[in-house]
Amino acid sequence: EVQLEESGGGLVQPGGSLRLSCAASGFTFNSHWMHWVRQAPGKGLVWVSGIHSDGRSTTYADSVKGRFTISRDNARNTLYLQMNSLRAEDTAVYHCVRGTITWKGIDFWGQGTLVTVSS
Amino acid sequence: DIVMTQTPLSSPVTLGQPASISCRSSQSLVHSDGNTYLSWLQQRPGQPPRLLIYKISNRFSGVPDRFSGSGAGTDFTLEISRVEAEDVGVYYCMQATQSPHTFGQGTKVEI
Repeated sequence: EVQLEESGGGLVQPGGSLRLSCAASGFTFNSHWMHWVRQAPGKGLVWVSGIHSDGRSTTYADSVKGRFTISRDNARNTLYLQMNSLRAEDTAVYHCVRGTITWKGIDFWGQGTLVTVSS
Repeated sequence: DIVMTQTPLSSPVTLGQPASISCRSSQSLVHSDGNTYLSWLQQRPGQPPRLLIYKISNRFSGVPDRFSGSGAGTDFTLEISRVEAEDVGVYYCMQATQSPHTFGQGTKVEI
């Protein structure tokens, strides 16, 4: 069974930093692209960042480029999102999401971890 | 970025009756490999999104056959043949043809 468990969310002041983690299990982690998708309270889904299965290629939404860094540790089956210079508009539930192999897209989602940026 | 527009944004439904949601993209979702990477997701209250349909019309593992998808190019539809109580939630279309992945605004289905 595919499982994705996020951690690391919490309350942080504007300008602060936070690192999210996603522990993956139930599948061959190093074969999949992985992504972060966020959802502000009561709002829709927004893709944030993605990383190739080997970690060498990364992509970011314009809104987080230069502030967020996605990475992965395939030996530990863990995905990360380092978030710096946080803003109030970054407040959201951050979901860890698995990329598909046989077609372009995403399939399994984690429950998410809430990040609140407020003074 | 490709903009995904869903209609309606809210859909009151009757149990046992059909329901339909439309999704339109700002440009064609046909990829250079010939496939169209349009998916539908369901988000029940308090739950993370769940994949229902991929590549326009393919049901994901475990998805009931009352859910079906259709369309081509820029216009797509999700249909529920007979709505059940567990279908209440928000439905999103999503494109993965072009980076970045983008989502529709969501359609709230309520009884």
